[in-house]
Amino acid sequence: DAKTTQPPSMDCAEGRAANLPCNHSTISGNEYVYWYRQIHSQGPQYIIHGLKNNETNEMASLIITEDRKSSTLILPHATLRDTAVYYCIVRGGSEKLVFGKGTKLTVNP
Amino acid sequence: IAGITQAPTSQILAAGRRMTLRCTQDMRHNAMYWYRQDLGLGLRLIHYSNTAGTTGKGEVPDGYSVSRANTDDFPLTLASAVPSQTSVYFCASSRTSETPLHFGNGTRLTVT
Repeated sequence: DAKTTQPPSMDCAEGRAANLPCNHSTISGNEYVYWYRQIHSQGPQYIIHGLKNNETNEMASLIITEDRKSSTLILPHATLRDTAVYYCIVRGGSEKLVFGKGTKLTVNP
Repeated sequence: IAGITQAPTSQILAAGRRMTLRCTQDMRHNAMYWYRQDLGLGLRLIHYSNTAGTTGKGEVPDGYSVSRANTDDFPLTLASAVPSQTSVYFCASSRTSETPLHFGNGTRLTVT
């Protein structure tokens, strides 16, 4: 079973920041938080991952709370191409990725 | 462009037939995976391989077999297809079993 809880859907206006929340209250010390997204009919795409520090790359930022029980993926300037299902996944070491239902993000013009 | 190639992109197959889905990666990744995706059930792991010459069972391995004769290829075989194997199949690879996965664009399989 997925170890995370995400809202089933969210909307965001084009050009605005999209903030996608994820709860992972049972996360253990050696488990990372991963984010993937899946654009319609394509394979999942890796976005970012982190352990306890905030992370940023060219796609997004990942903010992890100090107690590590929740995190937020931030797309700073959402575009229509960011419409996708976003998956938050907790994964320790060499554990296999377990996908939940994710959040369907719709970016509106 | 480096990445994962899956073939075919789609296939209609009669029940009882044998089918091999092909997956090739050119990133020299050690680990490879097969997932299936069904409406309402999300992505589920079928089989995986942490390195060439080894394979392991995922969440839903029954009715499927895999082999990993070399680093680049990870074929998935349905020995005798059944309608419940109608799904979209995604192959993925990662540099090691602890690094992010990169996915192919899938094979849409319909078993009639």
